[in-house]
Amino acid sequence: KNQVEQSPQSLIILEGKNCTLQCNYTVSPFSNLRWYKQDTGRGPVSLTIMTFSENTKSNGRYTATLDADTKQSSLHITASQLSDSASYICVVSPTNAGKSTFGDGTTLTVKP
Amino acid sequence: NAGVTQTPKFRILKIGQSMTLQCTQDMNHNYMYWYRQDPGMGLKLIYYSVGAGITDKGEVPNGYNVSRSTTEDFPLRLELAAPSQTSVYFCASSGPFFREDQPQHFGDGTRLSIL
Repeated sequence: KNQVEQSPQSLIILEGKNCTLQCNYTVSPFSNLRWYKQDTGRGPVSLTIMTFSENTKSNGRYTATLDADTKQSSLHITASQLSDSASYICVVSPTNAGKSTFGDGTTLTVKP
Repeated sequence: NAGVTQTPKFRILKIGQSMTLQCTQDMNHNYMYWYRQDPGMGLKLIYYSVGAGITDKGEVPNGYNVSRSTTEDFPLRLELAAPSQTSVYFCASSGPFFREDQPQHFGDGTRLSIL
C-alpha cells in the first residue's frame, strides 16, 4: 500500500529560527512530490513540486529536497515568520494523474 | 480569476438527509478532484474527473456521487448522510492538461457535520 509518513507531527519554534520537516514515502511508481502549506480554515496552497529527476526546489524561504533513492524528502524553512504557522503537507503522486497519496501533515507553530 | 469556489462553507445535516456540495473553477482546468479531510488526517480522494463527462472513483467513494456536465462545475452528492461523513470537504482542480509539474488549486472547503 502506498504510504506517506511525515515527521514530526507537530513542531514549535521561535520566530527567526530555521526548521526542517521530513517526508518518507513508499509510493511506487513515483512521478512527483509536492509540498503544500495549509493555513487554519483554508485549502492547501502549493509550495514546491519536484519530479523524479529533481533533487531540490526553492520558493522564497522554503527549500525542498528529494532523494528518490531513499524515498525521502525534506522541507527547510529559513528565518521563520509568524505567518509560517500552518500545516505542511507532503503529497506523492504515481504516474496516474488521479491517485496522489497525502501525508497527515506537520503542524508548525512559530512563536514571537 | 476567483480560482476554485466551494459552497456552502458550513452545513449541518441530519442523519439520512442528502445534499450537494458545489464546486466551480474559472481556470479552464480539465482535472478536478474531491477530497475529505478528517481531523489530524491527510486528505483522502473521493472522486476525480479528467474532463467533462468523465469521472472515476478515488480511495473513499462509498456514500458519494459526482457528475461533470461542464468543465467548470464538479458537484459532490451525499445520499443518506451518515455521522461518518462528518468532515471537511475540499475541491481542487489542475490543468488544463495533465503535467507532472503542475499543482492542484484548492478551494477553502465545506465544513459538514452530520448529527
